[in-house]
Amino acid sequence: QKEVEQNSGPLSVPEGAIASLNCTYSDRGSQSFFWYRQYSGKSPELIMSIYSNGDKEDGRFTAQLNKASQYVSLLIRDSQPSDSATYLCAVNARANFGNEKLTFGTGTRLTIIP
Amino acid sequence: EPEVTQTPSHQVTQMGQEVILRCVPISNHLYFYWYRQILGQKVEFLVSFYNNEISEKSEIFDDQFSVERPDGSNFTLKIRSTKLEDSAMYFCASSELAPDTQYFGPGTRLTVL
Repeated sequence: QKEVEQNSGPLSVPEGAIASLNCTYSDRGSQSFFWYRQYSGKSPELIMSIYSNGDKEDGRFTAQLNKASQYVSLLIRDSQPSDSATYLCAVNARANFGNEKLTFGTGTRLTIIP
Repeated sequence: EPEVTQTPSHQVTQMGQEVILRCVPISNHLYFYWYRQILGQKVEFLVSFYNNEISEKSEIFDDQFSVERPDGSNFTLKIRSTKLEDSAMYFCASSELAPDTQYFGPGTRLTVL
């Protein structure tokens, strides 16, 4: 059973601080890693994708991947109240015919305190 | 910016009835997916579809479920005889390549009474 684990939270962070979200995965063959943001009652919205070990930065967001430790994280700098949402870690599990299904974690609920 | 669209946004049905959920993937995308999310639970993969055939399906995707691409733009999920436990948000997603980022539609909330 391929699993993706996240702390469910809630994680409360003061406005302007750094929010750190973590995710571990069990399938060593995983190739692609994604962070999605989901507001209550809405669909997952892509924040970041990462494929190689190391850091990837996009604006206030930095994704970090360590395949040896099977660990992926998301840092949100200068947190804003609009960042309050559930953050979903998703990992590809290679399927047949080259398609890639995503295995999701349960998500971490982040609250930014003004 | 191109986006995945889904209709209806909310579907209420009686147990045992058939429902069809519709999706229009992003136009140049070749890979299509259905996921579902029961309230308060994680997003779960149902099925992936490429080149007019199912590529993979999960154990949730039993004989009550089917998918179809009836024309060049629509992608549908049919549930033949709905059960109470089918109540969930159903998300369609598409990607241009595989592996590649999957973009999600806004979802259809299915309520089975």
